Amino acid sequence: AQTVTQSQPEMSVQEAETVTLSCTYDTSESDYYLFWYKQPPSRQMILVIRQEAYKQQNATENRFSVNFQKAAKSFSLKISDSQLGDAAMYFCAYRNYLENYGQNFVFGPGTRLSVLP
Amino acid sequence: KAGVTQTPRYLIKTRGQQVTLSCSPISGHRSVSWYQQTPGQGLQFLFEYFSETQRNKGNFPGRFSGRQFSNSRSEMNVSTLELGDSALYLCASSLEFEQPQHFGDGTRLSIL
Repeated sequence: AQTVTQSQPEMSVQEAETVTLSCTYDTSESDYYLFWYKQPPSRQMILVIRQEAYKQQNATENRFSVNFQKAAKSFSLKISDSQLGDAAMYFCAYRNYLENYGQNFVFGPGTRLSVLP
Repeated sequence: KAGVTQTPRYLIKTRGQQVTLSCSPISGHRSVSWYQQTPGQGLQFLFEYFSETQRNKGNFPGRFSGRQFSNSRSEMNVSTLELGDSALYLCASSLEFEQPQHFGDGTRLSIL
């Protein structure tokens, strides 16, 4: 079964600084997608970034970038120039798109990020 | 464009009752997924529908069921409610099942 691990339950960063959130996963599949979602206190889950496993190039979205190491099954998120609005719970997630596969979308336990002014 | 709409936002039930939650996806989206979020278990996948067909189901008992209508709106039903069913239930939709998902605000279900 697929598992996603986030070893940092909580992290904090100074405004304008850079922070990296860690994520490791386990799967026997070769084709899959990895995601980072953020969930602010307002509770709506928002997609931050998505990475297709077949792509070697790391995904980037403005201040957000990932370090995807497929062999190591590692998928970390780097937030540059942190802003107060980045404070949220961040979830790393694994997904495959196989049909009738059962638990095909697995979330990590989350990392609560605080941004200090 | 309106986002994913979940109704109701809050619901209080007692043990043994049943409940139906509704999700209206973004217009044009054909895939709808449901998730349960609790402090103890985190986010767990419930089921995924695409064009009225269930594509996948997570590891939940048969008391949890769902369906999708021809207009892509989806409902999930939980029968014989237990205290442990208290959770935030999130719905997400996507254009096609392999496209990024957009989440709704969720329905907070409390079981007394």
